[in-house]
Amino acid sequence: VQVVESGGGFVQPGGSLRLSCAASGFDVGSSYVSWVRQAPGRGLEWVSLIYAGGTTYYSGSVEGRFTISRDTSKNTVYLQMSSLTVEDTAMYFCARDARIVGATLDSWGRGTLITVSS
Amino acid sequence: DIQMTQSPSSLSASVGDTITITCRASQSISHYVTWYQHKPGRAPNLLIYAASSLHSGVPSRFSGSGSGTHFTLTISGLQPEDFAIYYCQQSSHIPYTFGQGTKLEIK
Repeated sequence: VQVVESGGGFVQPGGSLRLSCAASGFDVGSSYVSWVRQAPGRGLEWVSLIYAGGTTYYSGSVEGRFTISRDTSKNTVYLQMSSLTVEDTAMYFCARDARIVGATLDSWGRGTLITVSS
Repeated sequence: DIQMTQSPSSLSASVGDTITITCRASQSISHYVTWYQHKPGRAPNLLIYAASSLHSGVPSRFSGSGSGTHFTLTISGLQPEDFAIYYCQQSSHIPYTFGQGTKLEIK
């Protein structure tokens, strides 16, 4: 089981970016996948989750601006981010949620860095 | 949102020591707590799920306990590779929330 994030980079405030989480060893179409971020010098912050059935959830800080989705033909989960602010600057991690009991993020990527700055 | 208050925020210890990290939830979350280890520049690692169940492959020196609002992670007999940042996470209610982390440093 492995996930690899990509799509990070530098973006100006108000801009948009799409992150990708390429999965191997499991099927994203029948799995739970979360995005978690870590701002510089801060701790981990849960961002979004897509259920195996397709239902999606978001933290209050990104609700309405971020959209999680998946492409089963590419076995990839995406995080579309818009109206970005400097507070969104962070390393973004994708993680498979094994759902053993509640959220059980058992396979994480190494992250992709987003820098929002003018 | 459920707040997870983790303590201490940092801890100095020596190889061979036993340490305990505490996480308190702002409301009852049953046993829906997961513990992770994170080393800078690397992917976080799952240690404990359902408050006290050891994830496959994780050394038995790691243990978790608690239910309701009070949870602990104990590392018995610290090894050099254990010096890292540790986080608790609740998954009883969305949005899932993490504690602020405990940085475990070598004394």
